[in-house]
Amino acid sequence: DQQVKQNSPSLSVQEGRISILNCDYTNSMFDYFLWYKKYPAEGPTFLISISSIKDKNEDGRFTVFLNKSAKHLSLHIVPSQPGDSAVYFCAASTGGYQKVTFGIGTKLQVIP
Amino acid sequence: DTEVTQTPKHLVMGMTNKKSLKCEQHMGHRAMYWYKQKAKKPPELMFVYSYEKLSINESVPSRFSPECPNSSLLNLHLHALQPEDSALYLCASSQESTTYNEQFFGPGTRLTVL
Repeated sequence: DQQVKQNSPSLSVQEGRISILNCDYTNSMFDYFLWYKKYPAEGPTFLISISSIKDKNEDGRFTVFLNKSAKHLSLHIVPSQPGDSAVYFCAASTGGYQKVTFGIGTKLQVIP
Repeated sequence: DTEVTQTPKHLVMGMTNKKSLKCEQHMGHRAMYWYKQKAKKPPELMFVYSYEKLSINESVPSRFSPECPNSSLLNLHLHALQPEDSALYLCASSQESTTYNEQFFGPGTRLTVL
């Protein structure tokens, strides 16, 4: 039973437009959420995070939105660039912070 | 140096073999992790070491044996594996504190068990 769900396996977006990646979770005890990006043949790299006490966190072109009542978060990338093409993992943790639960990932393709 | 290195990149082993995966970081991180990732699945946590002591074991079979010889090194000893253990094994590290710190991942070891 997946506690972190990314229901879109892939997404294609034109360069310069907005990319929106979605993530749903079922465990109401999760209190910290993260997005990781993964290129082929590399390990995941941390992108952005948000605590459950916030509903938005922004870092340059990347913004994460959290809707706790809907148990939903999203990652917005504006504007999208070809170098953003990668697999994006949504992840969540609770309490001890060491234990992170990952979603299955969404493959983003940004078309030049 | 913000890199986590893993060796080997690829490993093929028989079910009776004994092999080890190695992970190294020089960022001064005191928490290190092993994850297993199968195709089209998310990374799944296996073990966590905190200050060189095993702090989390996610009910992993004993044919996987972790070891943390020092704060920079993490090994995963493999013995009598099954073909279903074939997967990408990811190592990660993070600072150890009471607040969350991002995990830095290595590129992984692709393991095939014949």
